[in-house]
Amino acid sequence: QKEVEQNSGPLSVPEGAIASLNCTYSDRGSQSFFWYRQYSGKSPELIMFIYSNGDKEDGRFTAQLNKASQYVSLLIRDSQPSDSATYLCASARGNQFYFGTGTSLTVIP
Amino acid sequence: DTAVSQTPKYLVTQMGNDKSIKCEQNLGHDTMYWYKQDSKKFLKIMFSYNNKELIINETVPNRFSPKSPDKAHLNLHINSLELGDSAVYFCASSQDPGGIGTEAFFGQGTRLTVV
Repeated sequence: QKEVEQNSGPLSVPEGAIASLNCTYSDRGSQSFFWYRQYSGKSPELIMFIYSNGDKEDGRFTAQLNKASQYVSLLIRDSQPSDSATYLCASARGNQFYFGTGTSLTVIP
Repeated sequence: DTAVSQTPKYLVTQMGNDKSIKCEQNLGHDTMYWYKQDSKKFLKIMFSYNNKELIINETVPNRFSPKSPDKAHLNLHINSLELGDSAVYFCASSQDPGGIGTEAFFGQGTRLTVV
């Protein structure tokens, strides 16, 4: 079993809609959770991290964490074509990061 | 000024050859990593070094040998390359100690193609 599981997609949403990306993790000792965005041929770049139960908002992005269910999600409001990318979920315990397989998102103009 | 830099960006080589990928970070981080990303985008941890000491060595063939001459550099040497080694290899670094919210910073990746 992988440490972090994601639905690989692809996920397609129309421009302006809300994109919802989900992730589960297996290690209850995980301390922090990250969402990275990776454009094709580029390196992953951090969008947000979350470590407390509940929601964390940053602009159009909202991360949600439910430790009891070992579940992390990312909502992207008012999706734009420039949001089309692969989104990688990661868990971390100290300096050890474990990534999911990523969800491919396409925002259709 | 690139925070985590890898060279080369592209590497095409024949089966059986030996090759190296270099990584340098100028962020002052103590922890560096090598990840392998396959065609399905799965980022698999290969090695983790903390201040030049090996911390994690996942199930990786011993043809892969990391070398850390100092805490700002972590190179990856691969012997006897095989077709299955074709992938994108990412170097990353993070601050130590790994407190809550400590993020990993990635290099631009090295696309290795073994023919």
